Amino acid sequence: GAVVSQHPSRVICKSGTSVKIECRSLDFQATTMFWYRQFPKQSLMLMATSNEGSKATYEQGVEKDKFLINHASLTLSTLTVTSAHPEDSSFYICSAHPRLAGDSDTQYFGPGTRLTVL
Amino acid sequence: AQSVAQPEDQVNVAEGNPLTVKCTYSVSGNPYLFWYVQYPNRGLQFLLKYITGDNLVKGSYGFEAEFNKSQTSFHLKKPSALVSDSALYFCAVRGLRAGTALIFGKGTTLSVSS
Repeated sequence: GAVVSQHPSRVICKSGTSVKIECRSLDFQATTMFWYRQFPKQSLMLMATSNEGSKATYEQGVEKDKFLINHASLTLSTLTVTSAHPEDSSFYICSAHPRLAGDSDTQYFGPGTRLTVL
Repeated sequence: AQSVAQPEDQVNVAEGNPLTVKCTYSVSGNPYLFWYVQYPNRGLQFLLKYITGDNLVKGSYGFEAEFNKSQTSFHLKKPSALVSDSALYFCAVRGLRAGTALIFGKGTTLSVSS
């Protein structure tokens, strides 16, 4: 099946610093990737839709200046948490769906990134 | 608006017994429904989906799901549970347009005892 990777898998940073998380589709191209946030024992909440070559679309309540998204190529999207605070600590998961005909609805998820802000 | 509901926070079943994890949906238009599984500190793994066709959908790891239009349900089932099936299960529905993000239920923790 299609594989999505994320890097890093775990990061600890100091309050006020910025952290970049990469999401890569390893064996398929993705014009659209999605960034979710998950709190412990809770569901996934969509943060933003990352569109290759254009600006990301953010969900209501998500600060676009704090969570910077760049989708520079058909296989890479990055999420940068700027000026991180302890309340940004969470599990961040990306997903993508292949451009293949007949499989445009199935989304494949990365393994997630655990961010801890001290 | 598209939504799914998982009425159970936790399902407990003994190994070897059949399991059911419930999901109901509310959609505009045709439903595009999915089941994913999440193991601790891991991303989500795709199990199966219903787009159209047979109401009984077979997926990975012996799981299947039954689409019931009259009851607006899409319950996940497995004839014989394994301890290794213990995980967090999410039902999801696609957004209104193709290529949009999935909308997830709150998740159901499945615990299979030996």
